[in-house]
Amino acid sequence: DADVTQTPRNRITKTGKRIMLECSQTKGHDRMYWYRQDPGLGLQLIYYSFDVKDINKGEISDGYSVSRQAQAKFSLSLESAIPNQTALYFCATSDSDRGTQYFGPGTRLLVL
Amino acid sequence: LAKTTQPISMDSYEGQEVNITCSHNNIATNDYITWYQQFPSQGPRFIIQGYKTKVTNEVASLFIPADRKSSTLSLPRVSLSDTAVYYCLVEGSARQLTFGSGTQLTVLP
Repeated sequence: DADVTQTPRNRITKTGKRIMLECSQTKGHDRMYWYRQDPGLGLQLIYYSFDVKDINKGEISDGYSVSRQAQAKFSLSLESAIPNQTALYFCATSDSDRGTQYFGPGTRLLVL
Repeated sequence: LAKTTQPISMDSYEGQEVNITCSHNNIATNDYITWYQQFPSQGPRFIIQGYKTKVTNEVASLFIPADRKSSTLSLPRVSLSDTAVYYCLVEGSARQLTFGSGTQLTVLP
């Protein structure tokens, strides 16, 4: 969905490096989410934010941090990347607790 | 957390109706059931959402029994382009978001 964009789309990095994945949305939603998807598996929630001042840990937040710079921007950082963080990362937005989630195109991350 | 259980995979033929069942035994009173579709290397896309009984939209129907411990996504007359992974999600708040492993539906010609 073009309303939710993620950069970069692909990234290769080395163990120990700090990297940032960025998400922007034009849908005007307050809620934003970061998910991780490993090959052949479902999505796991990393962090979520209900508004700029409300950030919460999800199921698998260890090794990750986030920043909500504005309503439209939500960034995910890997402080010190490790190989088992190799995965597909998705950002999503919604307008309420049970509102439809709109997903970005994903960022494919490879940690060597 | 309301964990969900779905079949890992299903096969069907073009033109058939497909029913995918999801089990969610620990669903809470305020939770809704939402189904998403995901194609390879794309983000999931919303299909349908319901709370109880039956919901129908232009692409699918969702059946939820009175006890709400399960739900069934029904796709009428599937085509090859319906080959995807289908996720059942129980939503009450972000603190309860749980995507299961999904069901890989393969539609055969």
